[in-house]
Amino acid sequence: NAGVTQTPKFQVLKTGQSMTLQCAQDMNHNSMYWYRQDPGMGLRLIYYSASEGTTDKGEVPNGYNVSRLNKREFSLRLESAAPSQTSVYFCASSEATLAAEQFFGPGTRLTVL
Amino acid sequence: GNSVTQMEGPVTLSEEAFLTINCTYTATGYPSLFWYVQYPGEGLQLLLKATKADDKGSNKGFEATYRKETTSFHLEKGSVQVSDSAVYFCALSPYNTDKLIFGTGTRLQVFP
Repeated sequence: NAGVTQTPKFQVLKTGQSMTLQCAQDMNHNSMYWYRQDPGMGLRLIYYSASEGTTDKGEVPNGYNVSRLNKREFSLRLESAAPSQTSVYFCASSEATLAAEQFFGPGTRLTVL
Repeated sequence: GNSVTQMEGPVTLSEEAFLTINCTYTATGYPSLFWYVQYPGEGLQLLLKATKADDKGSNKGFEATYRKETTSFHLEKGSVQVSDSAVYFCALSPYNTDKLIFGTGTRLQVFP
């Protein structure tokens, strides 16, 4: 089992460029999440998907879009990158039950110049 | 609203010292509480959790007790090792959801 995988590991973009961060899980989980991690701010939820075909905004959704392509895959798209989106991005998945453990991917470090 | 407050780091200890990392929370209803750990260059992993008042979560020598009266979930370990060096995040899951709200994280550095 690979668990949660993310690609790419590192990316540098110029302001205004677009890109998609990919995430896949092989644990048959219904719930998937995208977070960003910034120094001194912990992890903040960007978007959430409770099941295939559904997505909801989290705490910091502005400037991002998501797609839950199927049960395994949940992608995050930056349409027009800004320096404020420089961050480390984590994808996670869990069973759709209360207090379920979330399993995290290794992260993508994104720099926007 | 819901929020988590953790002590600022870094916490610097010698091997075999006693560890406490403080965590307090604000929440409506009865949240579940978690500690996650992040080793350098990796994603977060669940360390322990507690789902109701007075529950004690434990794993790998770490413990935390869900204290409703003080709205706290402090992390403790009796004897830390160099391999415990990591960033520790306290988190809560509000009642009736599976989403997590994280604290800002506390870096622990353990020296031989």
